[in-house]
This record gives sequence, C-alpha cells and structure tokens, in this order.
Amino acid sequence: DTGVSQDPRHKITKRGQNVTFRCDPISEHNRLYWYRQTLGQGPEFLTYFQNEAQLEKSRLLSDRFSAERPKGSFSTLEIQRTEQGDSAMYLCASSSQRSGRTDTQYFGPGTRLTVL
Amino acid sequence: AQRVTQPEKLLSVFKGAPVELKCNYSYSGSPELFWYVQYSRQRLQLLLRHISRESIKGFTADLNKGETSFHLKKPFAQEEDSAMYYCALPPSGGYNKLIFGAGTRLAVHP
Repeated sequence: DTGVSQDPRHKITKRGQNVTFRCDPISEHNRLYWYRQTLGQGPEFLTYFQNEAQLEKSRLLSDRFSAERPKGSFSTLEIQRTEQGDSAMYLCASSSQRSGRTDTQYFGPGTRLTVL
Repeated sequence: AQRVTQPEKLLSVFKGAPVELKCNYSYSGSPELFWYVQYSRQRLQLLLRHISRESIKGFTADLNKGETSFHLKKPFAQEEDSAMYYCALPPSGGYNKLIFGAGTRLAVHP
C-alpha cells in the first residue's frame, strides 16, 4: 500500500503524559497536513508543511503541541502534558503542490488518542 | 470567516431513492468546493471537486453562488453509498488547508 500511513493507530495514555504520532506521506508529495477530528465534527486543520518548512499553524495548536518534518519526508506530532480534551482522531494528509489550485489531499487512517 | 454548514447529521433513504446532501458555505470571492467521503473502516477520500464538473459514482454537485450552496446529489441511491460525507473548502486566499463541515451520515436501506 503506497498511501499515507500513520503510527500508532490507537494510543491510550494518562493525563499529563507526552505522546508522539508519526505520519508517512505518499513519497512524492511535498505537502503534509495534520488535522484533528472529534466526535460528530469534521476534521479541523492543525498545521501544514511544505517540504520541511512548517508554514502554517492553527490557533488550535497550543504550546503543548509541536510538529516536525525534519527531512521533508515523514512528520511527527507531539503532544506534551496531555489533557482529556486532547482525546480525538489525529489525521495526517499529504498532497502534491498544484499551481493556483487547491491540492487533492490524501488522508491516512488516523491515530485515535484517548486520554484517561 | 469562511464556514461550511451541513445541516443534516443523518440522511436515511431507501435503495433507489434520490439523494441530496446539503452543503452551504460562507466565503469571500470564488470558492473551490469539495466533497470528501469516508466509507466504513476506510480513510477519508476525495469524492469530487466542483471545478472538475465530474460525476463520480453517480454523484454530482453544482455550485450555486447565489444560494451559496454545493449540494451533492444522486438520482438513485445504492446501499454501497452508505458513508459519512463531508463538504469542504479552502480558506479565502489560501490553497493549503481545508475547512470541513461537520458531515452528514448517509444510510441507504435495502
């Protein structure tokens, strides 16, 4: 399968612990996105990378959240000092840059985080 | 601010019936709109985008700028159409993220 992959698929943690998620995009895609989805809602944008540069961060992304894409390939999303409100599905998507139009984003299966 | 509204959380129809999933938006300028679909136990995937003017799996969607709507339609629903459907658009002046509606679950009964 050459689609977007995410690891782990499920994570259960205790409040106050740190967690890290990984996303491997489609290999030729230079853009990578993180979204968060809570029950009954659509995905909400968190952050976006073009190659290794983080070009945009949502106000949803508090100081406890950090994302990296060190070599312009895979990305990690870390949440420090988790809170129960962080419980959600974390989705990664990737795309190939298209001039003047919105890219088609290809989504991974998501990482479901449960904070106890 | 840009917003996408999907007024129905659940749409339940019988096989063979017409389907219309509603999407309304607020946007400054000319929007580019999308429908994404998530089938059971599968990942979110693009169904169609309005600029392509395509029919995918029998679904079509027309952008109505006067009514600020982008409703998804299919004349004869099939059981395999049962899924979550999300309407989305990029923010004004930006191409690099999507704003999603809350989604509508379509249930097609035999």
